[in-house]
Amino acid sequence: DIVMTQSPDSLAVSLGEGATINCKSSQNILYTSNNMNYLAWYQQKPGQPPKLLIYWASTRESGVPDRFSGSGSGTDFTLTISSLQAEDVAVYYCQQYYITPLTFGGGTKVEIK
Amino acid sequence: QVQLPQWGAGLLRPSETLALTCAVYGGSFSGYYWTWIRQPPGKGLEWIGESIDHGGSTTYNPSLKGRVTISLDTSKNQFSLILSSVTAADTAVYYCARGRPLGGAAALHYWGQGTLVTISS
Repeated sequence: DIVMTQSPDSLAVSLGEGATINCKSSQNILYTSNNMNYLAWYQQKPGQPPKLLIYWASTRESGVPDRFSGSGSGTDFTLTISSLQAEDVAVYYCQQYYITPLTFGGGTKVEIK
Repeated sequence: QVQLPQWGAGLLRPSETLALTCAVYGGSFSGYYWTWIRQPPGKGLEWIGESIDHGGSTTYNPSLKGRVTISLDTSKNQFSLILSSVTAADTAVYYCARGRPLGGAAALHYWGQGTLVTISS
């Protein structure tokens, strides 16, 4: 199985400040034939299902604010929130869909400082 | 817009069989892998498996050791999860989701609302 490791486990950020979450895969998830990284980011708020934010490592899902961005390639990826808003308090997960079983990172809890 | 309402029993005793169903509205049922994921209380997400109607291709997470079955009802645009011989370790919120298209790859764009299943004697 591909192991997805996120860091940090949690972070507290002041409103309006930036937040960065890292995700590392145990294997390369860049498919060389199409040059796409099979990596997604989700946001989960209490009592709700995960919501897709980013797919193909850097493509924003429709309706997702542009303060959310994804970057990285191969085995190292980053989710950046450029200016934290109160509604961004949540747990964030990365996920690889390169191969089954699909696997998720352990999650990063983002709070307001 | 794809919608995935899901339902099933929320309280089971150890050794019983978990059964959940998810309906698909607003999109094509054919040509996609339909997926189940679970999340123990306060913990992370675990992919259970996926199934598609084309040739009946189904893949399960080996961690579930042959206890799981995902089936499709194309006449009703529904898919189901069966998990046998449950234990307290199977206590979780179970989510259905639309997976990848046939022959492709995709993130999980659409999710059900989740069903909390508690295993307790």
